[in-house]
Amino acid sequence: DTAVSQTPKYLVTQMGNDKSIKCEQNLGHDTMYWYKQDSKKFLKIMFSYNNKELIINETVPNRFSPKSPDKAHLNLHINSLELGDSAVYFCASARGSYNEQFFGPGTRLTVL
Amino acid sequence: AQSVSQHNHHVILSEAASLELGCNYSYGGTVNLFWYVQYPGQHLQLLLKYFSGDPLVKGIKGFEAEFIKSKFSFNLRKPSVQWSDTAEYFCAVNYGNNRLAFGKGNQVVVIP
Repeated sequence: DTAVSQTPKYLVTQMGNDKSIKCEQNLGHDTMYWYKQDSKKFLKIMFSYNNKELIINETVPNRFSPKSPDKAHLNLHINSLELGDSAVYFCASARGSYNEQFFGPGTRLTVL
Repeated sequence: AQSVSQHNHHVILSEAASLELGCNYSYGGTVNLFWYVQYPGQHLQLLLKYFSGDPLVKGIKGFEAEFIKSKFSFNLRKPSVQWSDTAEYFCAVNYGNNRLAFGKGNQVVVIP
């Protein structure tokens, strides 16, 4: 019954590797987001998709590439991982642009 | 620029004490306002929201917040905290541009 789910929950990898995080929502929402939460707990939006179209792309290195195969899924692929990519990544979804966002459980990425 | 300010990042108080967390946002016309809570190791959950109407809104777990338009503020309150309220609290503002602007959070520790 999980509304917004993410996999994996933990991801530990070496510098230079490529990894993906998956997100799925079963709320019927049309908008999905990726946020990065740093070690100081600061939350920053990375991307937003509406009906599978990219509508927000913040200043994020192009090593990060989101992909939305359908309205219920938004995946995040990261190439050539760096130490500074270590963070918790949260997926979220919402109905429309003004409403509350529902967050997934987060993926803690550790780059060694 | 759209920004959200939360002061007193670290708050430590005893059980049964009253809690008030300040949130100020930069002017941006019509906004929707939210408070989210993040319990240790968990994802963000919505505490309460304000879209329109009565500026005093009630949320879950005994929390309430007051929207003061003239002060661009949306302060969170709880009259009597419990140990289980230990968490990070985030104020967020939706300026209608499909993103939430988050404050830097308040880390609240309630001592039994």
